[in-house]
Amino acid sequence: DAKTTQPTSMDCAEGRAANLPCNHSTISGNEYVYWYRQIHSQGPQYIIHGLKNNETNEMASLIITEDRKSSTLILPHATLRDTAVYYCIVRVVGNQGGKLIFGQGTELSVKP
Amino acid sequence: DTAVSQTPKYLVTQMGNDKSIKCEQNLGHDTMYWYKQDSKKFLKIMFSYNNKELIINETVPNRFSPKSPDKAHLNLHINSLELGDSAVYFCASSQDLISNRRAFFGQGTRLTVV
Repeated sequence: DAKTTQPTSMDCAEGRAANLPCNHSTISGNEYVYWYRQIHSQGPQYIIHGLKNNETNEMASLIITEDRKSSTLILPHATLRDTAVYYCIVRVVGNQGGKLIFGQGTELSVKP
Repeated sequence: DTAVSQTPKYLVTQMGNDKSIKCEQNLGHDTMYWYKQDSKKFLKIMFSYNNKELIINETVPNRFSPKSPDKAHLNLHINSLELGDSAVYFCASSQDLISNRRAFFGQGTRLTVV
């Protein structure tokens, strides 16, 4: 699976949009971009995933650049409960037994 | 109902003991996993099972033996526990091996070996 690069940490003011970047410059055409987060002392939680097109769900939006070498996760109105480690994962669907390869992630702190 | 549940949530035990962690999913998924999160917070896959068959064993010591009595359960048995086994262990499940669907994780079991 392609390697991803994320900033180690970010801060965001409560109520503002949180934009979390991810670089995956070696991504292949059949690799999806997934985002998970881990709130302290909890199990990882799925947020969103996409292949080429931008995606939106009730939690967040995923913007993937046209060349697919980077993406941004957007939490439109961050709350204190969004404080967590956010993982960007690139994964070939159907390969390697379904596993997810987690990197270090971005520690997002939402501040009042 | 919790989708993926693990028991116990906390486990403190002495070196050399044998212990088990249980995992159950009520989502009707075919595939289940065990992940380990060490003290540096890195999450790594240990095993994956599909329809009760072992698919991935990520060079885990053979003191760790997963057992899947049925599709809904994947238990982790650890023999001769060592200090380095202290970690948080997460169980997860997904629909199957080949779709792009999300994985669901349990709340973790914090194992402390003293």
